[in-house]
Amino acid sequence: GESVGLHLPTLSVQEGDNSIINCAYSNSASDYFIWYKQESGKGPQFIIDIRSNMDKRQGQRVTVLLNKTVKHLSLQIAATQPGDSAVYFCAEKRDTGNQFYFGTGTSLTVIP
Amino acid sequence: NAGVTQTPKFRILKIGQSMTLQCAQDMNHNYMYWYRQDPGMGLKLIYYSVGAGITDKGEVPNGYNVSRSTTEDFPLRLELAAPSQTSVYFCASSPSKTYSGANVLTFGAGSRLTVL
Repeated sequence: GESVGLHLPTLSVQEGDNSIINCAYSNSASDYFIWYKQESGKGPQFIIDIRSNMDKRQGQRVTVLLNKTVKHLSLQIAATQPGDSAVYFCAEKRDTGNQFYFGTGTSLTVIP
Repeated sequence: NAGVTQTPKFRILKIGQSMTLQCAQDMNHNYMYWYRQDPGMGLKLIYYSVGAGITDKGEVPNGYNVSRSTTEDFPLRLELAAPSQTSVYFCASSPSKTYSGANVLTFGAGSRLTVL
């Protein structure tokens, strides 16, 4: 999982398996969270988001879970594919402004 | 629709030189941001702007300056470049404060800067 200030954690999964990427956020007042995917040499791209009044949100093959009690966010990717290989970041919106703060990221490698 | 455009894509600077990274968006977004990403690390917010004429510091503003004279453009200026500023710089934009999903924080492709 992600930890602010540490170098990039890595996760390797077999193609077709499910992936779980974790993120610990720091501010209990954060009210909105986003998961981004960053492929090599590119900017981050939006995957899925969740507001703090929800604990689960599903997209296409992805699910985000939010546990506000322990300030933990996870991204689940179903039936992981080689194209899912990338670095995944969680971002939190910490206050009433529109500033987003990012975690360190997790590097996901899918083994064919 | 080009989204967020950053120039240059690559640049090598000598210590003490200055340069400006350009960022332009064509989505009429009010909010714009500059992040830096060091190798194997996450993104750190340098500066942000909530509209033309308004800028504010993020987490790591030292050594940088910004301006926002128009809605479209948000240049980042490096004065007296230092090796610690070697990084990949990302510009991003978003609509006014809203929980609207995919159009929150659209990123540019990045500018890779090396200071030697």
